[in-house]
Amino acid sequence: AQSVTQLGSHVSVSEGALVLLRCNYSSSVPPYLFWYVQYPNQGLQLLLKYTTGATLVKGINGFEAEFKKSETSFHLTKPSAHMSDAAEYFCAVSNSGSARQLTFGSGTQLTVLP
Amino acid sequence: GAGVSQTPSNKVTEKGKYVELRCDPISGHTALYWYRQSLGQGPEFLIYFQGTGAADDSGLPNDRFFAVRPEGSVSTLKIQRTERGDSAVYLCASSAGHPTGELFFGEGSRLTVL
Repeated sequence: AQSVTQLGSHVSVSEGALVLLRCNYSSSVPPYLFWYVQYPNQGLQLLLKYTTGATLVKGINGFEAEFKKSETSFHLTKPSAHMSDAAEYFCAVSNSGSARQLTFGSGTQLTVLP
Repeated sequence: GAGVSQTPSNKVTEKGKYVELRCDPISGHTALYWYRQSLGQGPEFLIYFQGTGAADDSGLPNDRFFAVRPEGSVSTLKIQRTERGDSAVYLCASSAGHPTGELFFGEGSRLTVL
């Protein structure tokens, strides 16, 4: 069985500040890890994913995440927040070999303050 | 359209009624998924189709839920004898079928059972 924990259901940052959204996972097999973003009235959109290889993954809109096996973490970061980053962010895990059956965290709502 | 289309966007029904939710995937995508998102939670996997067949239906909560994809394109999620606990946003996603391929999500169908 696998699970995802997102620490902080709501995070607020000032525009231009560092964004850090935390994600810890549990998985009995090597995981595939994902971050999705959901803007208001839109479908979930893939930000980035880790499957194999380099543990620092770069995604769209300046976001990146680092897979740390020893810490079972996959935290999402962005050096400088923009107002347009305000959205809900979901971390997800799946068994290696397939990205099909994703297990999602409960989400983190990011607010960017002017 | 270019994206995953779901209809209806909103459905209000009474307890005990039958409901159908439709998903029109991205043209050419062989894989189709249904997820359910309850308030304040991340999406939960329901069922996955590869072509016309249900490759994994382990997430369907009980036998009141059923999904079909008869021609390998459009899918319908069917819920019999709806209960108030079925109220949620039902998300559909499609992918090109590669095991690590990106899932493209629709905006969802919000079901409210009174």
